[in-house]
Amino acid sequence: DADVTQTPRNRITKTGKRIMLECSQTKGHDRMYWYRQDPGLGLRLIYYSFDVKDINKGEISDGYSVSRQAQAKFSLSLESAIPNQTALYFCATSDGRRRGGELFFGEGSRLTVL
Amino acid sequence: GQNIDQPTEMTATEGAIVQINCTYQTSGFNGLFWYQQHAGEAPTFLSYNVLDGLEEKGRFSSFLSRSKGYSYLLLKELQMKDSASYLCAVYPLAGSGNTGKLIFGQGTTLQVKP
Repeated sequence: DADVTQTPRNRITKTGKRIMLECSQTKGHDRMYWYRQDPGLGLRLIYYSFDVKDINKGEISDGYSVSRQAQAKFSLSLESAIPNQTALYFCATSDGRRRGGELFFGEGSRLTVL
Repeated sequence: GQNIDQPTEMTATEGAIVQINCTYQTSGFNGLFWYQQHAGEAPTFLSYNVLDGLEEKGRFSSFLSRSKGYSYLLLKELQMKDSASYLCAVYPLAGSGNTGKLIFGQGTTLQVKP
């Protein structure tokens, strides 16, 4: 089983719908992140969390919200999806006590908003 | 702020050596990471440099010059499976305002030809 698990792996939805992407990890890491990847734009940070009570906005947080339900779970919500949120979304974790920049990624969630 | 530049695409021949460059400008620097990402898959950690010099790991080596804001990833004895995107990422210094947020370049897509 993967150490960082994302669900769903693929989702097609319509404009205006609420969508939640979930991420869970078994690595025991304190830090969790949500990135989106678009062709030609690389990985861009949406939100990140250094522990359950710490949530921070990244570069492109508008239109997104997150919840850190437990150390092992970090979910990303799109309250009202729009087509330009069509992208590949990655959850990642890292160990802040060691090498915090060494990220461990989930397999990705491909979201299409029609 | 952070600014990371790397070439968009490169092509090389199987068995050859290729060098992928990365230049960065940052207000606070605490290390540089390289990640590999095969098409449709999650990025995976390749290397980490925090001090000047060369870090060697099998066929892959990474070099860093902090004074020049420059790094490169060197791939030797290229194999077809090395066809992937290579992402340069800067890890900001604690207290720089970007602490703990790995900032990615747009990635270099390497195509290895027979």
